[in-house]
Amino acid sequence: DAGVIQSPRHEVTEMGQEVTLRCKPISGHNSLFWYRQTMMRGLELLIYFNNNVPIDDSGMPEDRFSAKMPNASFSTLKIQPSEPRDSAVYFCASSKILAGELYEQYFGPGTRLTVT
Amino acid sequence: GNSVTQMEGPVTLSEEAFLTINCTYTATGYPSLFWYVQYPGEGLQLLLKATKADDKGSNKGFEATYRKETTSFHLEKGSVQVSDSAVYFCALSDLFSGGYNKLIFGAGTRLAVHP
Repeated sequence: DAGVIQSPRHEVTEMGQEVTLRCKPISGHNSLFWYRQTMMRGLELLIYFNNNVPIDDSGMPEDRFSAKMPNASFSTLKIQPSEPRDSAVYFCASSKILAGELYEQYFGPGTRLTVT
Repeated sequence: GNSVTQMEGPVTLSEEAFLTINCTYTATGYPSLFWYVQYPGEGLQLLLKATKADDKGSNKGFEATYRKETTSFHLEKGSVQVSDSAVYFCALSDLFSGGYNKLIFGAGTRLAVHP
């Protein structure tokens, strides 16, 4: 398996622009997570999907952030408008969860976002 | 709520030295515990895990034992290599309090191993 795929790997944009980050989870996984990593705040969970449905979005910073999962093999995280404080590395992770069993989360390589 | 505290880095060691990275947790339920490793420019990879008290996780020469009495999950390796240089994250997951395998991460500890 190719693992979790994220694109782009690097994104540089100007403040006020819309940014879309993409993720393809591992085939057969039914859970997807978006994380943000910064020096100041460490790793933060932004949103969790199960079977394509958003279950926990309590970590989404504000209305400028939105995430979708239109099908089991694709998810997007959108920031509109972007601000310099959104600069971070954004990770997507996928897992499977069945009948209360705990399975490993597999992380993608991340997208490094720089907003100038 | 659930939380993880791990020792601040950076930890700088010579090759073949003994490594300990301390990790303690606070949890209301019965969490599973994990160590993840992040190599430069990459995402996190699961290094080892333990799902109940007294379990020992091990992988690639690294070990950690789930100690409920001290709420700890310290990472150890007897002889580190330059290739072990990375950031190490302790994490917990509690299916019963969160309802899903949400990971709560520590701040990460950077390890630098010199030849």
